[in-house]
Amino acid sequence: DAGVTQSPTHLIKTRGQQVTLRCSPKSGHDTVSWYQQALGQGPQFIFQYYEEEERQRGNFPDRFSGHQFPNYSSELNVNALLLGDSALYLCASSVQGSKPSTDTQYFGPGTRLTVL
Amino acid sequence: AQSVTQLGSHVSVSEGALVLLRCNYSSSVPPYLFWYVQYPNQGLQLLLKYTSAATLVKGINGFEAEFKKSETSFHLTKPSAHMSDAAEYFCAVSGKGGGNKLTFGTGTQLKVEL
Repeated sequence: DAGVTQSPTHLIKTRGQQVTLRCSPKSGHDTVSWYQQALGQGPQFIFQYYEEEERQRGNFPDRFSGHQFPNYSSELNVNALLLGDSALYLCASSVQGSKPSTDTQYFGPGTRLTVL
Repeated sequence: AQSVTQLGSHVSVSEGALVLLRCNYSSSVPPYLFWYVQYPNQGLQLLLKYTSAATLVKGINGFEAEFKKSETSFHLTKPSAHMSDAAEYFCAVSGKGGGNKLTFGTGTQLKVEL
């Protein structure tokens, strides 16, 4: 059973460019969350998608947007890249349970984004 | 807002010694708490979680954590450290509002020495 997969593994962009990161959830999972992990920091929640809708959003600007497809895979888009957007972007998937706050999130290996 | 604080950004232990990684939470409601481990160049792996059932939670790889409401703590322990335990450990609290957004601490880097 494949776990959470993310592509690409690494990406280098320049300031002002746009980037799209992709995530395939674990088989049977219907909820996808995205996190940003800056070097030496803990992951910070960007947003979460369930049933193709953004369900929760963290404290990130509108330059960060996402999408969930009918097959539950997801994309994270970042526009007008800044140097400070350089980070490891983690995708996590889970199954919507009766008590969502206790649902376990399974993380992918991440995409390392470098903005020059 | 819910948050967690991890005391000690770096912890070093000898192989075979007790591992103790500290996590304190701040929450106005009963929290759901998690410990994750991150090996170099990898994503996060769940070690264990507290969901208001038993206060002593056993996880994978011999780790366990005890929820102490009076101390607002959820420290991670392992009786005997192994070289393979060297990694970064994150404590996290789950948010409210219908989803399972995680708020992470800043992490503790565990070093295991011979």
